[in-house]
Amino acid sequence: KNQVEQSPQSLIILEGKNCTLQCNYTVSPFSNLRWYKQDTGRGPVSLTIMTFSENTKSNGRYTATLDADTKQSSLHITASQLSDSASYICVVSARTGGGADGLTFGKGTHLIIQP
Amino acid sequence: EAGVVQSPRYKIIEKKQPVAFWCNPISGHNTLYWYRQNLGQGPELLIRYENEEAVDDSQLPKDRFSAERLKGVDSTLKIQPAELGDSAVYLCASTSWPGGEQFFGPGTRLTVL
Repeated sequence: KNQVEQSPQSLIILEGKNCTLQCNYTVSPFSNLRWYKQDTGRGPVSLTIMTFSENTKSNGRYTATLDADTKQSSLHITASQLSDSASYICVVSARTGGGADGLTFGKGTHLIIQP
Repeated sequence: EAGVVQSPRYKIIEKKQPVAFWCNPISGHNTLYWYRQNLGQGPELLIRYENEEAVDDSQLPKDRFSAERLKGVDSTLKIQPAELGDSAVYLCASTSWPGGEQFFGPGTRLTVL
């Protein structure tokens, strides 16, 4: 069964500090991995997407890494800001028959940035 | 360009009542998804459409949930009758091709009393 596990479940850090969120998956055959940011009361918004051959991708202060061998990904946030307070969801796509990709969502990490 | 539009944003109903949610995807996006998201959880797929065809509805509780996308554009998700456990946020997402980046709407927060 395809699964995506995220850790920690929740995290509180001070403004300006860095943090790293983890995502472990057992999705196979792997197609791609996305990190989404979901602000309270809003839908998720894509931050990064990585395919099998990519091991790092940045989007401003967000840097995602992927180790396809160990099936692990991380999202590193540099110099956190109050607006980074949100849930961060890891989504892994499996290549299924007919060219359609099945998606497996993690439960998310709830990040709180304190001033 | 307008994003995915959902309405209503909030809905409060009593159990056993019917309720419907509406979604208008991004123009040109053939793939449309309905998800249910419980508090503190990730979204769970209910149904996926390719144009007007439901290609994955294996997670849709068919005894009380139904969905339609008659013209392959906007879609409606219905619950009849609603139960207390249906309280959740219902998200709609669309993408231009299966496996492509999903764009989510703001969701409809349903509270069943």
